[in-house]
Amino acid sequence: AQSVAQPEDQVNVAEGNPLTVKCTYSVSGNPYLFWYVQYPNRGLQFLLKYITGDNLVKGSYGFEAEFNKSQTSFHLKKPSALVSDSALYFCAVRDLSNDYKLSFGAGTTVTVRA
Amino acid sequence: ETGVTQTPRHLVMGMTNKKSLKCEQHLGHNAMYWYKQSAKKPLELMFVYSLEERVENNSVPSRFSPECPNSSHLFLHLHTLQPEDSALYLCASSQDGAVPYNEQFFGPGTRLTVL
Repeated sequence: AQSVAQPEDQVNVAEGNPLTVKCTYSVSGNPYLFWYVQYPNRGLQFLLKYITGDNLVKGSYGFEAEFNKSQTSFHLKKPSALVSDSALYFCAVRDLSNDYKLSFGAGTTVTVRA
Repeated sequence: ETGVTQTPRHLVMGMTNKKSLKCEQHLGHNAMYWYKQSAKKPLELMFVYSLEERVENNSVPSRFSPECPNSSHLFLHLHTLQPEDSALYLCASSQDGAVPYNEQFFGPGTRLTVL
């Protein structure tokens, strides 16, 4: 079975400071990992994904994520947060054992204060 | 977001009503999904269609009935819902749904309220 945990319901940072949103996963084989962002009254938007290879993945809007196999983590990062980054962030995982199911975490609300 | 559209955006219905949610994707994808999003809970996968064939039915009550007439359109027919069915219903699409590293593209959702 595959699952994702986002240990923080909420993350608050000041504009210009680094932003980190945590994610840990559990899969039976090699993981395929995703980050999505959801703005109010909108659907989820894809940010980035890890397939294989380089552990540091770069995505949209200046976000990046670091895959750590030993810690089974895939934390989302941004060096300098913007007020406009305030949104709900979801981590998701999929493996080859489950043909079509993408498992999501419960989400982390990010608030960036000016 | 214009790649996947959903109508209506908001829907209020009584428990005895019948209504349908519509989703259309303009991305040329061949897999489509229905998710339920409730507050403070992970997204729940409801149904998956690949090449217009239902390939996943995630223990969803029969009061929810999906339909996929072609690869671009997906419907969710609703009948005798319960108040706990109130949620945001999201449609998504992807290319080659069986490929695990293909990302899904989401519509804006339909906010459903059951009275």
